[in-house]
Amino acid sequence: AQSVTQLGSHVSVSEGALVLLRCNYSSSVPPYLFWYVQYPNQGLQLLLKYTSAATLVKGINGFEAEFKKSETSFHLTKPSAHMSDAAEYFCAVSSIIQGAQKLVFGQGTRLTINP
Amino acid sequence: NAGVTQTPKFQVLKTGQSMTLQCAQDMNHNSMYWYRQDPGMGLRLIYYSASEGTTDKGEVPNGYNVSRLNKREFSLRLESAAPSQTSVYFCASRLDRGIGYGYTFGSGTRLTVV
Repeated sequence: AQSVTQLGSHVSVSEGALVLLRCNYSSSVPPYLFWYVQYPNQGLQLLLKYTSAATLVKGINGFEAEFKKSETSFHLTKPSAHMSDAAEYFCAVSSIIQGAQKLVFGQGTRLTINP
Repeated sequence: NAGVTQTPKFQVLKTGQSMTLQCAQDMNHNSMYWYRQDPGMGLRLIYYSASEGTTDKGEVPNGYNVSRLNKREFSLRLESAAPSQTSVYFCASRLDRGIGYGYTFGSGTRLTVV
């Protein structure tokens, strides 16, 4: 069964610094991977997704993620953090379970931006 | 341009009470899902509906029932609420055009069972 593991439940960076949120996946077939963002008291919004078209995926708000098969990773990065990036981030893998497509989520990483 | 609408946004229940969480989508999506979110555990699938008239259990179905009333609506019912069901509940829907399509989420229902 497909799964994802997010390394670090809490990441703190300074405003203007590089953001790196880690996600590793486990899949016996080529995976479809997603990053979602959740702002306080809101639902989840899609940041970006990997569907095998390109290994470097660009998303909204300046985020991007690189699919690395050799490392089974799909880390999320942003060159320069902004205060508005403070949120919880979820990595997810699309999985076929009992004949139906479902998203399986990681545990989440809470990103804090220090002024 | 509503997307996925969940009601209510907040609810406090006493142990043993029942309630239904409502979810409706206006995007003509076939698949709908109910997740619960708990600190440090990410989102866990409770039930899903791949199409109108079908429902299936997810990872944590115990204590819940669902109804896919029509293509738009997918409700989640707690028959006898327990404190362990205190959580934030999210409904989501998905366009069925291949495994690469993600979900559209509602804004959540924050439920407290005392």
